[in-house]
Amino acid sequence: AQSVTQPDIHITVSEGASLELRCNYSYGATPYLFWYVQSPGQGLQLLLKYFSGDTLVQGIKGFEAEFKRSQSSFNLRKPSVHWSDAAEYFCAVGNNAGNMLTFGGGTRLMVKP
Amino acid sequence: DTAVSQTPKYLVTQMGNDKSIKCEQNLGHDTMYWYKQDSKKFLKIMFSYNNKELIINETVPNRFSPKSPDKAHLNLHINSLELGDSAVYFCASSPRGSTNYGYTFGSGTRLTVV
Repeated sequence: AQSVTQPDIHITVSEGASLELRCNYSYGATPYLFWYVQSPGQGLQLLLKYFSGDTLVQGIKGFEAEFKRSQSSFNLRKPSVHWSDAAEYFCAVGNNAGNMLTFGGGTRLMVKP
Repeated sequence: DTAVSQTPKYLVTQMGNDKSIKCEQNLGHDTMYWYKQDSKKFLKIMFSYNNKELIINETVPNRFSPKSPDKAHLNLHINSLELGDSAVYFCASSPRGSTNYGYTFGSGTRLTVV
């Protein structure tokens, strides 16, 4: 069965600082990997996805993520955080059948002025 | 022109009642889902429908019954509501067999059972 672990429940960074959110997955085949962002009271918005090709993927809002098969990781990064980035971030893995996304527990990002 | 719309956005009801949440998508997707997000923000799939056919039922109590009248709609009916049903319920859709495109989520329905 597939699973996703986000080791950090909360992260606080200063505005303008760099950010890295960790994600580790467990899946027997080549995974489909995603990062979603959820602002308070809102639904989930897709930031970026990986399923093949270049292991460094670019997303919206200046985010990027790197797939490392050897570490079973798909960490999300941003070089300079803005106050509007404060939200809950979810990593997810999709199965090959195309009918299920399994989410990690989420990481709450807080941004200090 | 909302892609995935859910109604209502908020629902407060008493224990024992029966309630429904509606979901509609205008993306032409074949597959629709219901996810439950608990108070700790954990998201868990409940149901998956592909072109009106149930394909995933993740050990959800049978008080929960999804209904898909057509591939653009997936409604969730809940009987005999319990306190533990309080959560945010998200509807989502995706092209058939295309997890690689990700899901498009609705904005959620916050259900509070009192």
